[in-house]
Order: sequence, then structure tokens, then C-alpha cells
Amino acid sequence: SQELEQSPQSLIVQEGKNLTINCTSSKTLYGLYWYKQKYGEGLIFLMMLQKGGEEKSHEKITAKLDEKKQQSSLHITASQPSHAGIYLCGADHSGNTPLVFGKGTRLSVIA
Amino acid sequence: DAGVTQSPTHLIKTRGQQVTLRCSPKSGHDTVSWYQQALGQGPQFIFQYYEEEERQRGNFPDRFSGHQFPNYSSELNVNALLLGDSALYLCASSSLGEGRLRPLHFGNGTRLTVT
Repeated sequence: SQELEQSPQSLIVQEGKNLTINCTSSKTLYGLYWYKQKYGEGLIFLMMLQKGGEEKSHEKITAKLDEKKQQSSLHITASQPSHAGIYLCGADHSGNTPLVFGKGTRLSVIA
Repeated sequence: DAGVTQSPTHLIKTRGQQVTLRCSPKSGHDTVSWYQQALGQGPQFIFQYYEEEERQRGNFPDRFSGHQFPNYSSELNVNALLLGDSALYLCASSSLGEGRLRPLHFGNGTRLTVT
């Protein structure tokens, strides 16, 4: 089974709507990273969350880490076409291990 | 401030051939990691280099090897290419000096197609 599960796999939202993407780990999280990827390109770092539960915001994107559930959520408020892309979560399970990534959530924003 | 740069951007090879991919880390970074991303999948960790040595390795065969140079740049070599090696190869850099939790900075990748 997948170590890091993302849901939904894909999402189509109307411009201006809010949306949430979830990332659940089967192992204890030391740190959780969110990245955005345009098709066929590299990953762009969005936010890093540390164990113990944390919430961070940047522009219209908010990410939270629920330590008890080993789960993180990424929330986008008032989505725009520029938010379209693939959102990937990456887990660090000990502070010294390579990042393990989920399969990603493909977001499309339509006018 | 240049970010992570990778070359070439695209590459087409034939089964059985060998390939070398190159990566220059972001300025100030000393650690390079390589990832393989198949279509529709998340990146899979290949290995990490620090101080010119392979420090960690993922579940990839010995056909995958690498090198890090004194200027921190790195190469990924793949021998005896298989059709299944077709993927986007991503290089990421970071700095151990930033602490235990440090984001990886990714390049735009090399798209390898094996025919």
C-alpha cells in the first residue's frame, strides 16, 4: 500500500471557489512538505510543516498538519487559474530520511 | 541567484545504452538528491550525495550510479537502459547547514525516453 496517500487524485473547480487537498501518512511524520508542479516541470516548494502540529499560510494557500491523524491538508481560498497544477506532499519521517512523495493531486481551475 | 539547473532537458536513448544526466545545485547548497518520476506518479528517491559520497540510496538497481564533484555539482548515470527507465529525472539540492528540516529545491528535470 502507498505510504503517503493524497486525495483527491484530481480536482476540477470553478474559479473563485475554495478547495482542500489531503495527505495522509501511514508512518509518523517528522516534517511534511507541500510542492506544486506544472506538467513535466520541476517541483516548486510551497510550505514546510513541522511535527507537533502547525499551520502556515502564504497568499491564498493554507496548510495544516494534524499530528494525531498523521495528516496534512492544503486549502486554497478563492482559486485562480494560476493555482492549476499538480500538488504533491512529501514526508520526512525522521529528520534524516529522504522525502517520500505522494502521487499528487491534479488541480484544474476553470473560468 | 541561480536555482538548480539540469541538463539536458530532453533525451532519447535506445534500450541497452547508457546515459549521463547533469545537475548544478542552487548556490550555497552542498547536498544533491536525485529522483525519478514516472508519468502520473510522485517522485521516487534514487540517491543522495554529500561531500562527494553517496549517503543514502533508494530502492534502485546498481545500474543507477552517481557522482558528486568538488563544486557540489552531480551526475546521474544509468547503464543498460530499459524501457521502464523512461521518466522525468529530477535533481534537488539542499544544505545540511539549514538544519534537519530543510526544503529540497528542485530543477526542471531531464525527460528521458528509452525506445
